[in-house]
Amino acid sequence: KNEVEQSPQNLTAQEGEFITINCSYSVGISALHWLQQHPGGGIVSLFMLSSGKKKHGRLIATINIQEKHSSLHITASHPRDSAVYICAVRFRPTNTGNQFYFGTGTSLTVIP
Amino acid sequence: GAGVSQTPSNKVTEKGKYVELRCDPISGHTALYWYRQSLGQGPEFLIYFQGTGAADDSGLPNDRFFAVRPEGSVSTLKIQRTERGDSAVYLCASSLGTGLETQYFGPGTRLLVL
Repeated sequence: KNEVEQSPQNLTAQEGEFITINCSYSVGISALHWLQQHPGGGIVSLFMLSSGKKKHGRLIATINIQEKHSSLHITASHPRDSAVYICAVRFRPTNTGNQFYFGTGTSLTVIP
Repeated sequence: GAGVSQTPSNKVTEKGKYVELRCDPISGHTALYWYRQSLGQGPEFLIYFQGTGAADDSGLPNDRFFAVRPEGSVSTLKIQRTERGDSAVYLCASSLGTGLETQYFGPGTRLLVL
């Protein structure tokens, strides 16, 4: 069964804290996508990765293919980082197209 | 346009009515996806187009749901005989093609079936 699980479901942090959001999946994947969704707003792509690590500003995404696990890290968190962070994976085989399966999201609140 | 656009942004309808939701993808993007997001849940895949054809419609919940993309650009998601359970945010995304290209999401259409 293709499953995507995220943890924690909700997270509250003080401004400046280092934040980690986790994503686990059940079977092999060809790609993993981290997305950000602000309340009432659209979804913004943060990272697309299939191996290793990517960094953009204060955001870092890592993936461990063997352990079927990815993490999204936010350094020096800020209240504007408050949003729902969603992990989405594209499972193998890929002959079904490019559809992604989504986790339920992690709701992050950063308090000033 | 600069990004993916969706219209209307909000739609309120009565149970049993027919609705159409429109998606304008980023120019040049051949791949287009429809997702549905219920409150407190992650998006759920509905259908994927590559060009004009539906390459994968396995996510459509039943035959009341149908989507078209006749010219390989704009897509319309059609829902017949709407039910209260259809209430959700319907998201559209586009990408350059299959593979590892990033998907760009529209703002969504919030559908409420009374």
